[in-house]
Amino acid sequence: EAGVVQSPRYKIIEKKQPVAFWCNPISGHNTLYWYLQNLGQGPELLIRYENEEAVDDSQLPKDRFSAERLKGVDSTLKIQPAELGDSAVYLCASSLRNTGELFFGEGSRLTVL
Amino acid sequence: RKEVEQDPGPFNVPEGATVAFNCTYSNSASQSFFWYRQDCRKEPKLLMSVYSSGNEDGRFTAQLNRASQYISLLIRDSKLSDSATYLCVVNTGFQKLVFGTGTRLLVSP
Repeated sequence: EAGVVQSPRYKIIEKKQPVAFWCNPISGHNTLYWYLQNLGQGPELLIRYENEEAVDDSQLPKDRFSAERLKGVDSTLKIQPAELGDSAVYLCASSLRNTGELFFGEGSRLTVL
Repeated sequence: RKEVEQDPGPFNVPEGATVAFNCTYSNSASQSFFWYRQDCRKEPKLLMSVYSSGNEDGRFTAQLNRASQYISLLIRDSKLSDSATYLCVVNTGFQKLVFGTGTRLLVSP
């Protein structure tokens, strides 16, 4: 069974440029999460979807970040414009509803110069 | 106060040692608890769930103390391959999963 797939694995951009990350969750997983992880820190939730509905986006900086999961399957996270402080690993995870077992993708490592 | 707190370490132990980590949580209504393992530059993976009665999986034992609001992870007979960061995860309600900062473990020969 395929795991959570993320792309790109690495992205280097200059500040003020836009960037987008894509995630395809495990088939059948209703819940999809986007987390941000800085070096030496634990993952911090940006947004959680139940099917196509964003049920928790309270930590998403909406002035520059946006996300969508139009058909309740794959998802895109966008940053526009990127700032130096956005350099981090963006992790996507999925799970079956009502379980605490998250399956993470390998992450997208963003460097903003 | 952070919702989930862990000692970042690192914990440096020799092979064969027993080591324990604690994790405290602030929301007394938290419903479920987990330990995840994260290797360097890799994604986190579920190590074990933490049940109210405590649970064991081989060399790993997890316990929950609701009265004091902490969970623990005990690793017996440490192996070099146990070197990793151990993340405490708490479901604080409504499927909101909050991660701690992680505790780094280094097992040396």
